[in-house]
Amino acid sequence: GQNIDQPTEMTATEGAIVQINCTYQTSGFNGLFWYQQHAGEAPTFLSYNVLDGLEEKGRFSSFLSRSKGYSYLLLKELQMKDSASYLCAVRPTISSGSARQLTFGSGTQLTVLP
Amino acid sequence: EAQVTQNPRYLITVTGKKLTVTCSQNMNHEYMSWYRQDPGLGLRQIYYSMNVEVTDKGDVPEGYKVSRKEKRNFPLILESPSPNQTSLYFCASSSRQGRDEQYFGPGTRLTVT
Repeated sequence: GQNIDQPTEMTATEGAIVQINCTYQTSGFNGLFWYQQHAGEAPTFLSYNVLDGLEEKGRFSSFLSRSKGYSYLLLKELQMKDSASYLCAVRPTISSGSARQLTFGSGTQLTVLP
Repeated sequence: EAQVTQNPRYLITVTGKKLTVTCSQNMNHEYMSWYRQDPGLGLRQIYYSMNVEVTDKGDVPEGYKVSRKEKRNFPLILESPSPNQTSLYFCASSSRQGRDEQYFGPGTRLTVT
């Protein structure tokens, strides 16, 4: 099975940097995704990590340590529009007994204050 | 424009009245999934499909049915809706290539009274 933990809420100030952590315990692992979801809208893809290390894409970066079952999403130069829920999701391997695609964490609600 | 569409976007219905939520994608994706999202519980997978005529249960399949007769469509059927199925529903699709991130539809907010 899969167990994914992330903080429920975080608050940060416009222009600052925030790190959202995600820990997971899985019977198989074939990649970790981060999605952004604004209130009442669909989740949209932010990043994907399958190998250890840091992936950078503009203001957003994502880090993965497979040995520790740990990932974080780093948001720099925060803007008001970054206020949203950030979802961590793990994809199992087919060999773990399931071809299901993704298991999501409950999400971290980020509020950016002026 | 590449997209996943769902209909209806909003639906209020009564217990026991059969309903279907449609989902269609124009990206020729093999994988399609249905999720429900509830406060504090995140996105939970209901059913998924790996290709035409291939479907399987997700984490919370009870009370739902699906079919995949065509590659682009993946309807969600509630034969006898109950109030505990009041939720926000998302359809998603992805390819089998590369990182195959999921593309989500706009969501269907269902209320069962």
